[in-house]
Order: sequence, then C-alpha cells, then structure tokens
Amino acid sequence: EIVMTQSPATLSLSPGERATLSCRASQSVTSYLAWYQQKPGQAPRLLIYGASTRATGIPARFSGSGSGTEFTLTITSLQSEDFAVYYCQQYNDWPLTFGPGTNVDIK
Amino acid sequence: QVQLQQSGPGLVKPSQTLSLTCAISGDSVSSNSAAWNWIRQSPSRGLEWLGRTYYKSKWYNDYAVSVKSRITIKPDTSKNEFSLQLNFLTPEDTAVYYCARGLAVAENWGQGTRVTVSS
Repeated sequence: EIVMTQSPATLSLSPGERATLSCRASQSVTSYLAWYQQKPGQAPRLLIYGASTRATGIPARFSGSGSGTEFTLTITSLQSEDFAVYYCQQYNDWPLTFGPGTNVDIK
Repeated sequence: QVQLQQSGPGLVKPSQTLSLTCAISGDSVSSNSAAWNWIRQSPSRGLEWLGRTYYKSKWYNDYAVSVKSRITIKPDTSKNEFSLQLNFLTPEDTAVYYCARGLAVAENWGQGTRVTVSS
C-alpha cells in the first residue's frame, strides 16, 4: 500500500497570505495525485487531479505541482472560505490512499 | 449535474451488518466512464477508500484489504443506485461513510452517514 504523508499538520495564516501545502508518497505515483478540501460537517470536495489540473469550478488561486513522490498545493491570497482541511490522495495503485490532511486555520 | 443521496441507519450493534444505499441522479450506475465508491472517515483511520464497483462490459469490484473479507458493494440497475454491505461490525467501524462517483478520484460525494457501532 502506498502511504501518503502531508506537512505541515497545521498551517496558521492570515487572509490574503499564500499557503503552501506538501504531500509525499512512499513510492512514485507519477502524476496520479489529487487534492481535496474539506470544511466542517461537509464531504470533501475535489480541487485538483492529475497533480495540476483544477477540477470544474475551482478558482485559479488553487494550483498543484509535482510528480513522482513530492507534490505541492498552493493557494495564492487566502480567502475566508479557504480555511479548511486539505487532503492529498494517490490513484496510481490500488488501494487508493489519502494523506492525513493539513489544517489551514486563521492566524 | 450528478447528485448522490445516501440512506441507511446511523446506529448498528456490534457483530451486525451495516447496509447503506446511494441513489444516483444525473448519471447511470451502468455508465462505462464512472465508478461508484464507498469511502469512510474516522478520527483514528482518517479517510479510507473501502471499495468500488464499475461496469466495463461486465461488472467489476475492488475492495480494500482491510475490509475485503467483510464487504460487498453492489449496483442496482433497476433503481440506479448502489449499496454497501459491511459485515461483522466492531466499534472500530464507527465512522462517517460516504458514497462517491469517480473512476479513481472522487468527483462527486454523497452527504455522508454517521455510523456508530455500539450496543
């Protein structure tokens, strides 16, 4: 099973700041990496797939990069609605696995 | 657009079976370009992809090793829905269960069902 790790566990930032979230895979997943956003009481929402392709309706301030084992989600200029937990997920191999999440909270 | 509506109990006794259903609107469970998934989330295990069913000339299933001996995911083409059956429940199965649509990423999600395993 491919193990996903994320850092940091918590990121405390102010609105308008840039957020940089990291995700690492225990072995190469090529570009089969997705990012999700989850707010309290809600299901996760797909943000990015293919490591860098935004899902339908996702604002351009969200961008993904990386390949192999190292990936980054960047949110330029945080908006109030962006404070949430972010998860990465690999789909290179079954079982599909998620990282433990990064909580982006208000500083 | 695709919408998924979950139904099923929120409280199940240990050793019993959990049965959840996910009704699909805006797509077909028999679609050749989608898979129908169950994912759960708990504080101790995080997000865990339990399994999926999909149709490509015939029906296929993939299950997580952690639940493989206890899980069944089945489509119901007459009702355009799919179901999860998880047997021999223990308190460790307490979680929020989600259905989701997507071949390998979860593009659309149900609203979630909070399931507690307790006597």
